[in-house]
Amino acid sequence: AQSVTQPDIHITVSEGASLELRCNYSYGATPYLFWYVQSPGQGLQLLLKYFSGDTLVQGIKGFEAEFKRSQSSFNLRKPSVHWSDAAEYFCAVGPMDSNYQLIWGAGTKLIIKP
Amino acid sequence: NAGVMQNPRHLVRRRGQEARLRCSPMKGHSHVYWYRQLPEEGLKFMVYLQKENIIDESGMPKERFSAEFPKEGPSILRIQQVVRGDSAAYFCASSPQSGTGIEKLFFGSGTQLSVL
Repeated sequence: AQSVTQPDIHITVSEGASLELRCNYSYGATPYLFWYVQSPGQGLQLLLKYFSGDTLVQGIKGFEAEFKRSQSSFNLRKPSVHWSDAAEYFCAVGPMDSNYQLIWGAGTKLIIKP
Repeated sequence: NAGVMQNPRHLVRRRGQEARLRCSPMKGHSHVYWYRQLPEEGLKFMVYLQKENIIDESGMPKERFSAEFPKEGPSILRIQQVVRGDSAAYFCASSPQSGTGIEKLFFGSGTQLSVL
């Protein structure tokens, strides 16, 4: 079965500390992989995506993610978080031929301690 | 340029009532997509509409749910005779045309439906 797992429902990190949000997937074909962020009161915004090539992808707002095929993972990282990074983060996978039929994780809520 | 607008932000209904959720796509966008997020689950695709046409409704429950995107006005997701299990966040997205890639999919901030 196709699925995306984000094992952490909540994560609390001190401002300035590093961050890693985990994402594991189960998908039969070659997936496209995405991370979205939803800040309070805002719509979902695409942070970054992986289609092919270099397995370390850079996104907006200083985020990066690494695709590890052997581990079926696509973890999101940031070296130093800012209070404005407090939001909910969603990992998603999708087929190559559709821009809307994504399979989504349940999200990880990031809390920033001052 | 306003983003995808959804209203209301929060909607409370009693069991058996009707819920109407509205989505105004971004200016210039003619494709609308609805998703539902049940508690502690990921978003699930429901329906994809163009103006006056339903393109893909493979994710829509067979009963009580309907969607439209008229020539004028917002897209409406309608839930008749709501039940507690309909309590969820409903997200709308829009794109300028099909097949343009995920980068062209823009999401609204969602409507949280609570059924008492």
